[in-house]
Amino acid sequence: ILNVEQSPQSLHVQEGDSTNFTCSFPSSNFYALHWYRWETAKSPEALFVMTLNGDEKKKGRISATLNTKEGYSYLYIKGSQPEDSATYLCASLYNQGGKLIFGQGTELSVKP
Amino acid sequence: AAGVIQSPRHLIKEKRETATLKCYPIPRHDTVYWYQQGPGQDPQFLISFYEKMQSDKGSIPDRFSAQQFSDYHSELNMSSLELGDSALYFCASSYRETEAFFGQGTRLTVV
Repeated sequence: ILNVEQSPQSLHVQEGDSTNFTCSFPSSNFYALHWYRWETAKSPEALFVMTLNGDEKKKGRISATLNTKEGYSYLYIKGSQPEDSATYLCASLYNQGGKLIFGQGTELSVKP
Repeated sequence: AAGVIQSPRHLIKEKRETATLKCYPIPRHDTVYWYQQGPGQDPQFLISFYEKMQSDKGSIPDRFSAQQFSDYHSELNMSSLELGDSALYFCASSYRETEAFFGQGTRLTVV
């Protein structure tokens, strides 16, 4: 059974705080790692797709790193804003056309 | 830009009835995924198709079946509906290993 684990489950921070969360996944036969942002009443939107060990991606204040050998990825948000409040999902892919296995998500709440 | 289209957006069915959910992927995407999300739960993978062939199967009940047609649209057929089938059903499509794009979901309520 392939399990993708995310931690923490929820996070409450103040505006301006920087934060990070973890996604752990089985490293054998790894193909790709996706991060998604999911706001209430909307469908998930992709943030990053990473495939190579050591990959680092950045989009504005959000960045992610990938370690495929040990099976983890970190998502960082610098200077959190209330509009960053959402659930952040990671998903791992083990073969082309195979299933995207989602973690349970980290629910982020940023208070003004 | 074209997105993933799901229909219907909302569906109310009675127990033991049948429901069909449709998904129209983004043109040229070769992979379609179906997910079920119950109230307060993580999305659960049901089934995926790659180039119109079933590529992977998750926790999909035997009462459910799915297929992908020659035009790449996919249908999830659900029979003998149970109250516990009430959920948000998402379809997503992608090209190879690139990001998946999700539809707006179909909210199924079984009464």
